[in-house]
Amino acid sequence: NAGVTQTPKFRVLKTGQSMTLLCAQDMNHEYMYWYRQDPGMGLRLIHYSVGEGTTAKGEVPDGYNVSRLKKQNFLLGLESAAPSQTSVYFCASVGTGAFYGYTFGSGTRLTVV
Amino acid sequence: SQELEQSPQSLIVQEGKNLTINCTSSKTLYGLYWYKQKYGEGLIFLMMLQKGGEEKSHEKITAKLDEKKQQSSLHITASQPSHAGIYLCGADQAGTALIFGKGTTLSVSS
Repeated sequence: NAGVTQTPKFRVLKTGQSMTLLCAQDMNHEYMYWYRQDPGMGLRLIHYSVGEGTTAKGEVPDGYNVSRLKKQNFLLGLESAAPSQTSVYFCASVGTGAFYGYTFGSGTRLTVV
Repeated sequence: SQELEQSPQSLIVQEGKNLTINCTSSKTLYGLYWYKQKYGEGLIFLMMLQKGGEEKSHEKITAKLDEKKQQSSLHITASQPSHAGIYLCGADQAGTALIFGKGTTLSVSS
């Protein structure tokens, strides 16, 4: 099992450019999440999904959009990147009734210049 | 909204020494998770505590949940260089997602 796979692993964007981060899980999990991690701020929830076709806003959703067209994929989009979006992005997933916590991807390190 | 405060923010211990990391919630805890993160990598699930007074161990790491104090502690016995990393606690926010503390950075000197 690959678990949770994030692509790309690294990316440098210019201010104003757009990009999509892909998260794919092969565990048939219902719930998927996007977090960002910044020094001194810990992990903050951007958006999440409780099932295929559903999305909801988290703590810091501004400047991001998401889609969950297929159960196994959760996409995070930046329409017009800003330097404040420089961060490490983590995707996570969990199944219903799970007692083993979320499974996290290895992260995408994004730099916006 | 719920907040998790971890203490200390960072610590350096000598190999072989014991240490404790605390996680205190501003609201009632329904489930408390501990994760470990190595620099540049994702989070690895350590253990989950659900009931007050619950205690779980994995190798030399023990976690306890004090429901009344809304607090959990993570204790490492006889620390090793492999224990170095960032430890994060996470808590269920009913109906949404896990929220996390800011993390405790552990360095183990040999």
